[in-house]
Amino acid sequence: DAKTTQPNSMESNEEEPVHLPCNHSTISGTDYIHWYRQLPSQGPEYVIHGLTSNVNNRMASLAIAEDRKSSTLILHRATLRDAAVYYCILVRHSGGGADGLTFGKGTHLIIQP
Amino acid sequence: DSGVTQTPKHLITATGQRVTLRCSPRSGDLSVYWYQQSLDQGLQFLIQYYNGEERAKGNILERFSAQQFPDLHSELNLSSLELGDSALYFCASSVAPVAGGGTGELFFGEGSRLTVL
Repeated sequence: DAKTTQPNSMESNEEEPVHLPCNHSTISGTDYIHWYRQLPSQGPEYVIHGLTSNVNNRMASLAIAEDRKSSTLILHRATLRDAAVYYCILVRHSGGGADGLTFGKGTHLIIQP
Repeated sequence: DSGVTQTPKHLITATGQRVTLRCSPRSGDLSVYWYQQSLDQGLQFLIQYYNGEERAKGNILERFSAQQFPDLHSELNLSSLELGDSALYFCASSVAPVAGGGTGELFFGEGSRLTVL
């Protein structure tokens, strides 16, 4: 399975933008890039996903490099509620087999007031 | 609220015992996934069901088993419990598997915290 690499932790200030990087140099053509986050004492929560083009939704933006070997999750204005572990996951949208998401260690995002 | 319901929220039991965790997926979702999260292992995929049938297995121990019933709820059975089985167990659901037209978006419940003493 294609793997992702993320920093263990990042720190940002409240109301500032946050850029969370993810490297996925072995990504294949049918792999979508998904981001989930896990708030303290909660289950993981879907944030956003994309294939090639940048994507925006109400929670965040996803910027995907032209060669698709890396991506960045952008929180435009972080709040204390955004403090969580953020997971970058590759999901293959072809063939059969397991759909179970393979979670790595993720990035622990700390927001300072 | 993700729409996925897990019971019980907390469970304390002794080594050697057997427990059953229950999951009700979001209305309309046909696929159910079970995950285990412990401090040292992170989130581990255990098993997936789709419309009542087992679809994929991950790192599930032989002492563990699961099933999905006709009403689409699922149960995870953990037997001969060991101290190391203490963990959070999450259930997630999706409309369909990715290869079956699903988007890959999973909705997670709040988890069942199992403590084995």
